Amino acid sequence: SYVLTQPPSVSVAPGKTARITCGGDNIGSKSVHWYQQKPGQAPVLVISYDSDRPSGIPERFSGSNSGNTATLTISRVEAGDEADYYCQVWDSSSDHYVFGTGTKVTVL
Amino acid sequence: EVQLVESGGGLIQPGGSLRLSCAASGFSVSSNYMSWVRQAPGKGLEWVSVIYRGGTTYYADPVKGRFTISTDNSKNTLFLQMNSLRAEDTAVYYCARAPLEGLPFDPWGQGTLVTVSS
Repeated sequence: SYVLTQPPSVSVAPGKTARITCGGDNIGSKSVHWYQQKPGQAPVLVISYDSDRPSGIPERFSGSNSGNTATLTISRVEAGDEADYYCQVWDSSSDHYVFGTGTKVTVL
Repeated sequence: EVQLVESGGGLIQPGGSLRLSCAASGFSVSSNYMSWVRQAPGKGLEWVSVIYRGGTTYYADPVKGRFTISTDNSKNTLFLQMNSLRAEDTAVYYCARAPLEGLPFDPWGQGTLVTVSS
Protein backbone atom coordinates (compact mmCIF):
# COMPACT_ATOMS: atom_id res chain seq x y z
CA SER A 1 0.00 0.00 0.00
CA TYR A 2 1.06 3.58 -0.64
CA VAL A 3 2.68 5.38 2.30
CA LEU A 4 3.02 9.11 2.97
CA THR A 5 5.56 10.23 5.56
CA GLN A 6 5.53 13.60 7.35
CA PRO A 7 7.75 14.97 10.14
CA PRO A 8 5.93 14.67 13.48
CA SER A 9 6.48 18.29 14.39
CA VAL A 10 7.65 21.65 13.07
CA SER A 11 8.31 24.69 15.26
CA VAL A 12 8.41 28.21 13.88
CA ALA A 13 8.56 31.74 15.25
CA PRO A 14 5.79 34.21 14.41
CA GLY A 15 6.42 35.99 11.13
CA LYS A 16 8.78 33.28 9.87
CA THR A 17 8.19 30.54 7.30
CA ALA A 18 7.12 26.97 8.08
CA ARG A 19 7.72 24.17 5.59
CA ILE A 20 6.00 20.81 6.03
CA THR A 21 7.14 17.93 3.84
CA CYS A 22 5.20 14.89 2.67
CA GLY A 23 7.28 12.05 1.28
CA GLY A 24 6.00 9.28 -0.96
CA ASP A 25 7.23 7.12 -3.82
CA ASN A 26 7.06 9.28 -6.97
CA ILE A 27 4.51 11.52 -5.26
CA GLY A 28 5.20 14.12 -7.95
CA SER A 29 3.04 12.04 -10.29
CA LYS A 30 0.03 12.36 -7.99
CA SER A 31 -2.20 15.25 -6.93
CA VAL A 32 -1.58 16.18 -3.30
CA HIS A 33 -4.11 17.83 -1.03
CA TRP A 34 -3.37 19.40 2.37
CA TYR A 35 -5.66 19.75 5.38
CA GLN A 36 -5.41 21.83 8.55
CA GLN A 37 -6.94 20.45 11.74
CA LYS A 38 -7.22 22.44 14.95
CA PRO A 39 -7.98 20.71 18.28
CA GLY A 40 -11.53 19.43 18.54
CA GLN A 41 -12.37 20.46 14.98
CA ALA A 42 -12.83 18.68 11.66
CA PRO A 43 -10.07 18.98 9.05
CA VAL A 44 -10.23 21.90 6.63
CA LEU A 45 -8.82 21.85 3.09
CA VAL A 46 -6.06 24.46 2.73
CA ILE A 47 -4.31 23.37 -0.50
CA SER A 48 -5.65 21.22 -3.35
CA TYR A 49 -3.96 19.83 -6.47
CA ASP A 50 -0.48 20.45 -5.11
CA SER A 51 -0.73 24.25 -5.05
CA ASP A 52 -4.29 25.56 -5.43
CA ARG A 53 -5.78 27.58 -2.58
CA PRO A 54 -9.51 27.15 -1.93
CA SER A 55 -11.59 30.25 -1.48
CA GLY A 56 -11.02 31.83 1.93
CA ILE A 57 -7.54 30.38 2.49
CA PRO A 58 -4.89 33.10 3.00
CA GLU A 59 -2.24 33.62 0.33
CA ARG A 60 0.33 32.79 3.02
CA PHE A 61 -0.45 29.12 2.34
CA SER A 62 1.24 27.61 -0.72
CA GLY A 63 2.24 24.19 -1.97
CA SER A 64 4.58 22.40 -4.34
CA ASN A 65 5.13 18.82 -5.46
CA SER A 66 8.01 17.20 -7.29
CA GLY A 67 9.87 13.91 -7.29
CA ASN A 68 9.35 12.11 -4.01
CA THR A 69 8.37 15.13 -1.89
CA ALA A 70 5.42 17.48 -1.64
CA THR A 71 5.73 20.60 0.50
CA LEU A 72 3.24 22.86 2.26
CA THR A 73 4.68 26.31 2.97
CA ILE A 74 3.18 28.74 5.44
CA SER A 75 4.67 32.22 5.12
CA ARG A 76 4.51 34.94 7.76
CA VAL A 77 3.29 32.42 10.31
CA GLU A 78 0.66 33.59 12.79
CA ALA A 79 -0.41 32.15 16.14
CA GLY A 80 -3.66 31.01 14.51
CA ASP A 81 -1.75 28.70 12.17
CA GLU A 82 -0.89 26.40 15.08
CA ALA A 83 -2.54 23.10 14.15
CA ASP A 84 -2.00 19.62 12.77
CA TYR A 85 -1.46 19.39 9.02
CA TYR A 86 -2.06 16.31 6.84
CA CYS A 87 -1.20 15.59 3.23
CA GLN A 88 -3.44 13.26 1.22
CA VAL A 89 -3.44 11.54 -2.17
CA TRP A 90 -5.64 9.11 -4.04
CA ASP A 91 -3.92 5.84 -4.92
CA SER A 92 -5.38 4.91 -8.29
CA SER A 93 -3.82 1.44 -8.20
CA SER A 94 -6.03 0.44 -5.26
CA ASP A 95 -8.84 3.05 -5.36
CA HIS A 96 -7.84 3.91 -1.82
CA TYR A 97 -7.32 7.31 -0.29
CA VAL A 98 -4.13 7.79 1.72
CA PHE A 99 -3.33 10.33 4.44
CA GLY A 100 0.10 11.34 5.61
CA THR A 101 1.18 10.71 9.18
CA GLY A 102 0.49 14.31 10.16
CA THR A 103 2.65 17.22 11.35
CA LYS A 104 2.02 19.34 14.42
CA VAL A 105 2.97 22.97 13.78
CA THR A 106 3.89 24.88 16.91
CA VAL A 107 4.22 28.65 16.85
CA LEU A 108 6.89 29.68 19.33
CA GLU B 1 -25.00 25.93 2.22
CA VAL B 2 -23.09 22.70 1.69
CA GLN B 3 -23.09 20.78 4.95
CA LEU B 4 -22.62 17.29 6.42
CA VAL B 5 -23.94 16.23 9.83
CA GLU B 6 -22.99 12.88 11.36
CA SER B 7 -24.90 10.98 14.03
CA GLY B 8 -25.09 7.53 15.55
CA GLY B 9 -21.90 7.33 17.56
CA GLY B 10 -21.75 6.06 21.11
CA LEU B 11 -20.39 3.46 23.49
CA ILE B 12 -20.58 -0.13 22.25
CA GLN B 13 -19.18 -3.40 23.56
CA PRO B 14 -16.56 -5.34 21.60
CA GLY B 15 -18.23 -7.55 19.03
CA GLY B 16 -21.23 -5.27 18.77
CA SER B 17 -22.70 -3.34 15.85
CA LEU B 18 -23.40 0.32 15.20
CA ARG B 19 -24.71 2.32 12.24
CA LEU B 20 -23.47 5.82 11.59
CA SER B 21 -25.44 8.33 9.53
CA CYS B 22 -24.30 11.42 7.64
CA ALA B 23 -27.04 13.79 6.48
CA ALA B 24 -26.07 15.98 3.55
CA SER B 25 -27.53 19.35 2.58
CA GLY B 26 -26.76 21.70 -0.26
CA PHE B 27 -25.76 18.90 -2.64
CA SER B 28 -26.75 15.36 -3.63
CA VAL B 29 -24.85 12.38 -2.19
CA SER B 30 -25.81 10.37 -5.25
CA SER B 31 -23.85 12.75 -7.50
CA ASN B 32 -20.65 12.62 -5.48
CA TYR B 33 -18.07 10.23 -4.09
CA MET B 34 -18.68 10.00 -0.35
CA SER B 35 -16.16 8.74 2.18
CA TRP B 36 -15.75 7.94 5.85
CA VAL B 37 -12.51 8.94 7.58
CA ARG B 38 -11.70 8.15 11.20
CA GLN B 39 -9.30 9.45 13.82
CA ALA B 40 -8.39 7.45 16.89
CA PRO B 41 -7.78 9.47 20.06
CA GLY B 42 -4.51 11.38 19.73
CA LYS B 43 -3.77 9.80 16.35
CA GLY B 44 -3.82 10.83 12.71
CA LEU B 45 -6.47 10.63 10.01
CA GLU B 46 -7.28 7.22 8.54
CA TRP B 47 -9.43 6.73 5.45
CA VAL B 48 -12.08 4.04 6.02
CA SER B 49 -14.32 3.65 2.99
CA VAL B 50 -15.69 5.29 -0.16
CA ILE B 51 -18.84 4.86 -2.23
CA TYR B 52 -18.79 6.00 -5.83
CA ARG B 53 -21.69 7.53 -7.73
CA GLY B 54 -22.62 4.23 -9.33
CA GLY B 55 -22.54 2.39 -6.02
CA THR B 56 -19.06 0.85 -6.24
CA THR B 57 -17.48 0.64 -2.81
CA TYR B 58 -13.94 0.30 -1.44
CA TYR B 59 -12.68 -0.30 2.09
CA ALA B 60 -9.44 0.05 4.00
CA ASP B 61 -7.95 -3.31 4.93
CA PRO B 62 -8.59 -2.98 8.73
CA VAL B 63 -12.37 -2.73 8.20
CA LYS B 64 -12.92 -4.83 5.08
CA GLY B 65 -15.52 -7.52 5.68
CA ARG B 66 -16.81 -5.83 8.85
CA PHE B 67 -17.97 -2.38 7.68
CA THR B 68 -20.48 -1.56 4.92
CA ILE B 69 -20.92 1.86 3.33
CA SER B 70 -24.20 2.81 1.66
CA THR B 71 -26.45 5.70 0.77
CA ASP B 72 -30.18 6.44 0.86
CA ASN B 73 -30.63 8.88 -1.98
CA SER B 74 -34.23 9.65 -1.00
CA LYS B 75 -32.95 10.88 2.37
CA ASN B 76 -29.71 12.29 0.92
CA THR B 77 -27.85 10.41 3.63
CA LEU B 78 -24.66 8.36 3.83
CA PHE B 79 -24.36 5.40 6.19
CA LEU B 80 -21.64 3.24 7.70
CA GLN B 81 -22.75 -0.09 9.13
CA MET B 82 -20.07 -1.31 11.53
CA ASN B 83 -20.14 -4.93 12.70
CA SER B 84 -17.81 -7.04 14.86
CA LEU B 85 -16.44 -3.89 16.45
CA ARG B 86 -13.05 -3.97 18.14
CA ALA B 87 -11.33 -1.70 20.63
CA GLU B 88 -9.09 -0.43 17.83
CA ASP B 89 -12.17 0.91 16.01
CA THR B 90 -12.54 3.54 18.74
CA ALA B 91 -12.31 6.89 16.95
CA VAL B 92 -14.08 10.00 15.79
CA TYR B 93 -15.70 9.15 12.47
CA TYR B 94 -16.02 11.90 9.86
CA CYS B 95 -17.94 11.80 6.61
CA ALA B 96 -16.58 13.84 3.71
CA ARG B 97 -17.40 14.59 0.10
CA ALA B 98 -15.12 14.27 -2.91
CA PRO B 99 -16.94 14.95 -6.21
CA LEU B 100 -14.74 12.50 -8.16
CA GLU B 101 -11.86 10.14 -7.52
CA GLY B 102 -8.69 12.07 -6.85
CA LEU B 103 -10.49 15.24 -5.82
CA PRO B 104 -9.99 16.57 -2.29
CA PHE B 105 -12.34 16.00 0.63
CA ASP B 106 -14.48 19.10 1.05
CA PRO B 107 -16.54 19.60 3.09
CA TRP B 108 -16.22 17.40 6.17
CA GLY B 109 -18.81 16.75 8.83
CA GLN B 110 -18.17 17.60 12.48
CA GLY B 111 -17.55 13.96 13.39
CA THR B 112 -19.19 11.44 15.70
CA LEU B 113 -17.34 9.54 18.43
CA VAL B 114 -17.46 5.74 18.54
CA THR B 115 -16.08 4.11 21.68
CA VAL B 116 -15.68 0.33 21.73
CA SER B 117 -15.21 -0.85 25.29
CA SER B 118 -16.59 -3.30 27.79
